Amino acid sequence: EVQLVESGGGLVKPGGSLRLSCAASGFTFSSYSMNWVRQAPGKGLEWVSSISSSSSYIYYADSVKGRFTISRDNAKNSLFLQMNSLRAEDTAVYYCARVNPYGSGSYDYWGQGTLVTVSS
Amino acid sequence: AIQLTQSPSSLSASVGDRVTITCRASQGISSALAWYQQKPGKAPKLLIYDASSLESGVPSRFSGSGSGTDFTLTISSLQPEDFATYYCQQFNSHPRTFGQGTKLEIK
Repeated sequence: EVQLVESGGGLVKPGGSLRLSCAASGFTFSSYSMNWVRQAPGKGLEWVSSISSSSSYIYYADSVKGRFTISRDNAKNSLFLQMNSLRAEDTAVYYCARVNPYGSGSYDYWGQGTLVTVSS
Repeated sequence: AIQLTQSPSSLSASVGDRVTITCRASQGISSALAWYQQKPGKAPKLLIYDASSLESGVPSRFSGSGSGTDFTLTISSLQPEDFATYYCQQFNSHPRTFGQGTKLEIK
Protein backbone atom coordinates (compact mmCIF):
# COMPACT_ATOMS: atom_id res chain seq x y z
CA GLU A 1 0.00 0.00 0.00
CA VAL A 2 1.37 3.40 -0.99
CA GLN A 3 1.78 5.69 2.00
CA LEU A 4 3.08 9.23 2.32
CA VAL A 5 3.44 10.61 5.83
CA GLU A 6 4.43 14.23 6.39
CA SER A 7 5.97 15.55 9.59
CA GLY A 8 7.81 18.59 10.88
CA GLY A 9 5.04 21.16 10.89
CA GLY A 10 4.40 23.48 13.81
CA LEU A 11 4.34 27.04 15.06
CA VAL A 12 7.24 29.27 14.02
CA LYS A 13 7.86 33.00 14.24
CA PRO A 14 8.14 35.19 11.14
CA GLY A 15 11.65 34.97 9.77
CA GLY A 16 12.15 31.53 11.26
CA SER A 17 12.89 28.18 9.65
CA LEU A 18 11.28 24.77 9.53
CA ARG A 19 12.10 21.51 7.79
CA LEU A 20 9.29 19.30 6.60
CA SER A 21 9.73 15.60 5.91
CA CYS A 22 7.66 13.12 3.92
CA ALA A 23 8.25 9.43 4.56
CA ALA A 24 7.28 7.22 1.63
CA SER A 25 6.49 3.52 1.64
CA GLY A 26 4.78 0.90 -0.49
CA PHE A 27 6.44 1.86 -3.78
CA THR A 28 9.89 2.34 -5.33
CA PHE A 29 10.43 5.90 -4.14
CA SER A 30 13.57 6.42 -6.22
CA SER A 31 11.58 6.01 -9.46
CA TYR A 32 9.07 8.82 -8.89
CA SER A 33 9.09 12.58 -9.10
CA MET A 34 7.66 14.17 -5.98
CA ASN A 35 6.00 17.43 -5.07
CA TRP A 36 4.94 19.74 -2.26
CA VAL A 37 1.53 21.41 -2.44
CA ARG A 38 0.11 23.72 0.23
CA GLN A 39 -3.29 24.99 1.25
CA ALA A 40 -3.77 28.09 3.38
CA PRO A 41 -6.67 27.94 5.83
CA GLY A 42 -9.96 28.16 3.94
CA LYS A 43 -8.18 28.66 0.60
CA GLY A 44 -7.41 26.65 -2.50
CA LEU A 45 -4.48 24.46 -3.45
CA GLU A 46 -1.11 26.00 -4.34
CA TRP A 47 1.74 24.07 -5.92
CA VAL A 48 5.01 24.77 -4.10
CA SER A 49 7.83 22.67 -5.54
CA SER A 50 8.73 19.61 -7.59
CA ILE A 51 11.76 17.34 -7.71
CA SER A 52 12.54 14.64 -10.25
CA SER A 53 13.41 11.09 -9.27
CA SER A 54 17.18 11.64 -9.31
CA SER A 55 17.00 15.29 -8.16
CA SER A 56 18.17 16.43 -11.58
CA TYR A 57 15.19 18.72 -12.10
CA ILE A 58 13.87 21.02 -9.40
CA TYR A 59 11.20 23.69 -9.70
CA TYR A 60 9.71 26.24 -7.31
CA ALA A 61 6.74 28.55 -7.21
CA ASP A 62 7.76 32.20 -7.42
CA SER A 63 6.22 32.75 -3.98
CA VAL A 64 8.85 30.51 -2.32
CA LYS A 65 11.83 30.74 -4.67
CA GLY A 66 14.99 31.66 -2.80
CA ARG A 67 13.47 30.77 0.58
CA PHE A 68 12.46 27.12 0.26
CA THR A 69 14.62 24.16 -0.80
CA ILE A 70 13.26 20.79 -1.86
CA SER A 71 15.42 17.70 -1.57
CA ARG A 72 15.16 13.95 -1.29
CA ASP A 73 17.06 10.98 0.09
CA ASN A 74 16.25 7.96 -2.07
CA ALA A 75 18.14 5.63 0.24
CA LYS A 76 15.82 6.63 3.07
CA ASN A 77 12.65 6.97 0.98
CA SER A 78 12.22 10.53 2.15
CA LEU A 79 11.31 13.91 0.71
CA PHE A 80 12.13 17.19 2.41
CA LEU A 81 11.23 20.84 2.28
CA GLN A 82 13.56 23.27 4.02
CA MET A 83 11.67 26.49 4.64
CA ASN A 84 13.60 29.63 5.60
CA SER A 85 12.61 33.26 6.07
CA LEU A 86 9.07 32.20 6.79
CA ARG A 87 6.25 34.69 6.43
CA ALA A 88 2.69 34.82 7.72
CA GLU A 89 1.46 34.00 4.21
CA ASP A 90 3.32 30.67 4.34
CA THR A 91 0.82 29.47 6.95
CA ALA A 92 -0.82 26.42 5.40
CA VAL A 93 -1.23 22.69 5.43
CA TYR A 94 1.65 21.25 3.41
CA TYR A 95 1.07 18.05 1.44
CA CYS A 96 3.60 15.85 -0.28
CA ALA A 97 2.33 14.15 -3.43
CA ARG A 98 3.61 11.55 -5.86
CA VAL A 99 3.54 11.98 -9.62
CA ASN A 100 1.20 9.55 -11.35
CA PRO A 101 3.32 7.16 -13.43
CA TYR A 102 0.51 6.72 -15.95
CA GLY A 103 -0.29 10.35 -16.57
CA SER A 104 1.45 13.41 -17.80
CA GLY A 105 2.19 14.69 -14.33
CA SER A 106 -0.90 14.45 -12.16
CA TYR A 107 -0.56 13.49 -8.48
CA ASP A 108 -1.99 10.09 -7.65
CA TYR A 109 -1.07 9.76 -3.97
CA TRP A 110 -1.04 12.46 -1.32
CA GLY A 111 -0.03 12.51 2.32
CA GLN A 112 -2.39 13.64 5.08
CA GLY A 113 -0.64 16.99 5.37
CA THR A 114 1.25 18.83 8.08
CA LEU A 115 0.24 22.25 9.37
CA VAL A 116 2.72 25.11 9.38
CA THR A 117 1.70 28.22 11.29
CA VAL A 118 3.83 31.34 11.01
CA SER A 119 2.91 33.79 13.73
CA SER A 120 4.53 35.91 16.40
CA ALA B 1 2.38 31.25 -15.59
CA ILE B 2 -0.68 29.51 -16.97
CA GLN B 3 -3.87 30.57 -15.21
CA LEU B 4 -6.77 28.19 -14.74
CA THR B 5 -10.25 29.60 -14.24
CA GLN B 6 -12.96 27.30 -12.94
CA SER B 7 -16.67 27.98 -13.22
CA PRO B 8 -18.80 28.10 -11.34
CA SER B 9 -17.03 28.83 -8.04
CA SER B 10 -19.89 27.19 -6.19
CA LEU B 11 -22.81 25.06 -7.19
CA SER B 12 -25.91 23.72 -5.46
CA ALA B 13 -27.33 20.47 -6.76
CA SER B 14 -29.43 17.52 -5.72
CA VAL B 15 -28.69 13.82 -5.49
CA GLY B 16 -29.22 12.33 -8.94
CA ASP B 17 -28.44 15.56 -10.82
CA ARG B 18 -26.01 15.76 -13.70
CA VAL B 19 -23.32 18.35 -12.96
CA THR B 20 -20.68 19.95 -15.15
CA ILE B 21 -17.72 22.01 -13.96
CA THR B 22 -15.53 23.86 -16.44
CA CYS B 23 -11.86 24.80 -16.35
CA ARG B 24 -10.39 27.28 -18.81
CA ALA B 25 -6.66 27.70 -19.31
CA SER B 26 -5.08 31.03 -20.21
CA GLN B 27 -3.13 29.30 -22.98
CA GLY B 28 -3.20 25.91 -24.66
CA ILE B 29 -2.12 22.98 -22.50
CA SER B 30 -2.94 20.08 -24.83
CA SER B 31 -4.46 17.39 -22.57
CA ALA B 32 -2.19 17.99 -19.58
CA LEU B 33 -4.98 18.53 -17.07
CA ALA B 34 -6.18 16.69 -13.99
CA TRP B 35 -9.22 16.94 -11.74
CA TYR B 36 -9.19 16.39 -7.98
CA GLN B 37 -11.86 16.06 -5.33
CA GLN B 38 -11.25 17.35 -1.82
CA LYS B 39 -13.40 16.89 1.25
CA PRO B 40 -12.99 19.02 4.39
CA GLY B 41 -9.91 18.12 6.41
CA LYS B 42 -8.74 15.58 3.83
CA ALA B 43 -6.07 15.47 1.14
CA PRO B 44 -7.14 15.89 -2.48
CA LYS B 45 -8.01 12.76 -4.41
CA LEU B 46 -7.16 12.29 -8.08
CA LEU B 47 -10.24 11.68 -10.23
CA ILE B 48 -9.20 12.33 -13.84
CA TYR B 49 -5.77 12.66 -15.46
CA ASP B 50 -4.71 13.61 -18.97
CA ALA B 51 -8.04 15.44 -19.30
CA SER B 52 -10.18 12.34 -19.82
CA SER B 53 -8.56 9.27 -18.23
CA LEU B 54 -10.38 7.91 -15.20
CA GLU B 55 -8.11 7.13 -12.25
CA SER B 56 -8.29 3.56 -11.03
CA GLY B 57 -11.01 3.03 -8.45
CA VAL B 58 -12.92 6.20 -9.30
CA PRO B 59 -16.62 5.61 -10.09
CA SER B 60 -17.56 5.77 -13.76
CA ARG B 61 -20.10 8.54 -13.10
CA PHE B 62 -17.09 10.89 -13.20
CA SER B 63 -15.81 11.83 -16.65
CA GLY B 64 -13.54 14.48 -18.12
CA SER B 65 -13.24 16.00 -21.55
CA GLY B 66 -11.50 18.76 -23.44
CA SER B 67 -8.15 19.77 -24.81
CA GLY B 68 -6.30 22.95 -25.55
CA THR B 69 -7.87 25.60 -23.31
CA ASP B 70 -11.33 24.32 -22.40
CA PHE B 71 -12.04 21.36 -20.14
CA THR B 72 -14.99 19.91 -18.31
CA LEU B 73 -15.59 17.54 -15.42
CA THR B 74 -18.99 15.87 -15.48
CA ILE B 75 -20.69 13.88 -12.75
CA SER B 76 -23.49 11.98 -14.41
CA SER B 77 -25.65 11.28 -11.37
CA LEU B 78 -24.66 12.95 -8.11
CA GLN B 79 -24.30 10.76 -5.06
CA PRO B 80 -24.26 12.00 -1.44
CA GLU B 81 -20.51 11.34 -1.18
CA ASP B 82 -19.79 13.62 -4.17
CA PHE B 83 -20.47 16.84 -2.29
CA ALA B 84 -16.99 18.31 -2.02
CA THR B 85 -14.68 20.87 -3.61
CA TYR B 86 -13.22 20.12 -7.04
CA TYR B 87 -9.97 21.47 -8.47
CA CYS B 88 -8.36 21.32 -11.89
CA GLN B 89 -4.56 21.39 -12.32
CA GLN B 90 -2.38 21.79 -15.39
CA PHE B 91 0.83 19.88 -16.15
CA ASN B 92 1.82 21.49 -19.41
CA SER B 93 4.52 23.63 -17.84
CA HIS B 94 6.00 24.90 -14.60
CA PRO B 95 4.82 26.47 -12.42
CA ARG B 96 2.11 23.91 -12.03
CA THR B 97 -1.14 25.73 -11.32
CA PHE B 98 -4.53 24.88 -9.87
CA GLY B 99 -7.91 26.36 -10.55
CA GLN B 100 -9.50 28.25 -7.66
CA GLY B 101 -11.89 25.39 -6.90
CA THR B 102 -15.59 24.67 -7.27
CA LYS B 103 -17.55 23.92 -4.12
CA LEU B 104 -20.39 21.51 -4.78
CA GLU B 105 -23.12 21.76 -2.15
CA ILE B 106 -26.35 19.97 -1.48
CA LYS B 107 -29.48 21.80 -2.59
